[in-house]
Amino acid sequence: DGGITQSPKYLFRKEGQNVTLSCEQNLNHDAMYWYRQDPGQGLRLIYYSQIVNDFQKGDIAEGYSVSREKKESFPLTVTSAQKNPTAFYLCASTPRVEVGQKLFFGSGTQLSVL
Amino acid sequence: GQQLNQSPQSMFIQEGEDVSMNCTSSSIFNTWLWYKQEPGEGPVLLIALYKAGELTSNGRLTAQFGITRKDSFLNISASIPSDVGIYFCAGQSRTNAGKSTFGDGTTLTVKP
Repeated sequence: DGGITQSPKYLFRKEGQNVTLSCEQNLNHDAMYWYRQDPGQGLRLIYYSQIVNDFQKGDIAEGYSVSREKKESFPLTVTSAQKNPTAFYLCASTPRVEVGQKLFFGSGTQLSVL
Repeated sequence: GQQLNQSPQSMFIQEGEDVSMNCTSSSIFNTWLWYKQEPGEGPVLLIALYKAGELTSNGRLTAQFGITRKDSFLNISASIPSDVGIYFCAGQSRTNAGKSTFGDGTTLTVKP
């Protein structure tokens, strides 16, 4: 079945450490997104990519980095510069970045700080 | 940036009751989406709305795109225990290049 796979489901970060969250899709979508979710809050956009080798900052990009070397993959690195990384991270995709597109989400990665 | 106000923040209802929730904004949106999220999972799309005044149903769920294009409503009829979860609205506008802005969610608890 087509869908979005996020791994790992749970991740722990030590202070000063960079960690990378994986996101893979087999929906043949051009656009991919990373969102951060904190308890009681809506989803906030970290980064998005419209096409391979291209990505743009979202609303809360500081302390995060991404790459888009393949259409299917959009990994997110939480760097040591992100001082409050504990959150639920969601990857999503759409065929294109335009009005009317329905976001398809992965099952998320819960990141916690040791 | 664009903001959505979603209310109520939480609801505790008895099985069989109807539920209403809404999202409002000071900005105009071209598309409204309603999602449901269960604990530890990603949101799943329930209903998509594309035109002002549009009323769309999906089983016991009905959603409306407000006439002003600044609000949207979701109703759940005859609630059942599996309706438990967090419901999010999301709006898309051409001025934001189609990217989605999310409300803070409505947490629904259904008592059997």
